[in-house]
Amino acid sequence: KQEVTQIPAALSVPEGENLVLNCSFTDSAIYNLQWFRQDPGKGLTSLLLIQSSQREQTSGRLNASLDKSSGRSTLYIAASQPGDSATYLCAQGSNYQLIWGAGTKLIIKP
Amino acid sequence: EAQVTQNPRYLITVTGKKLTVTCSQNMNHEYMSWYRQDPGLGLRQIYYSMNVEVTDKGDVPEGYKVSRKEKRNFPLILESPSPNQTSLYFCASSWGTAIQQFFGPGTRLTVL
Repeated sequence: KQEVTQIPAALSVPEGENLVLNCSFTDSAIYNLQWFRQDPGKGLTSLLLIQSSQREQTSGRLNASLDKSSGRSTLYIAASQPGDSATYLCAQGSNYQLIWGAGTKLIIKP
Repeated sequence: EAQVTQNPRYLITVTGKKLTVTCSQNMNHEYMSWYRQDPGLGLRQIYYSMNVEVTDKGDVPEGYKVSRKEKRNFPLILESPSPNQTSLYFCASSWGTAIQQFFGPGTRLTVL
């Protein structure tokens, strides 16, 4: 059974720090790995999508990496801000569906 | 504005009373999907549709029905809701799972 795991479930860091969120998946035959952000009471916002042939993607202060051999992806957030506080979800794209992790709740303290 | 809309956003109902949650997208996407989100479990796919009149089960289809009569709409139907269907529901659309997915704002359903 395909599984996606995110550790830790929650993380609290002071503003300005660089941080890394982790995502592990069990299916090496993935199509892609996607990172989303979820704010309370709102929907999901796609942050980055890494195709299986790629190693990383960058958008502003965010950088996501993909290592298929180890079954891991990381989301790096540089110079964190209070506005980055949210739940971050990773999802493995396979045939016709996304397999989701349970998310990491991130709190950035001013 | 490109968007996925869901209605209603919040719904409280009673066991056994049939309900429909609507989902509509204006991006001419072929692929649409329904997920439910429960604490500690992440999102789980209920049903998906690759195009008009083409639907298939996801991981947790029991107790749900869907239809895709038009490209833009993908309603989720609960014929006889039960308390274990209390959850946060998301509709999504895209050109495929290998492409960026767009999500609706979510529907919080409570079944008493």
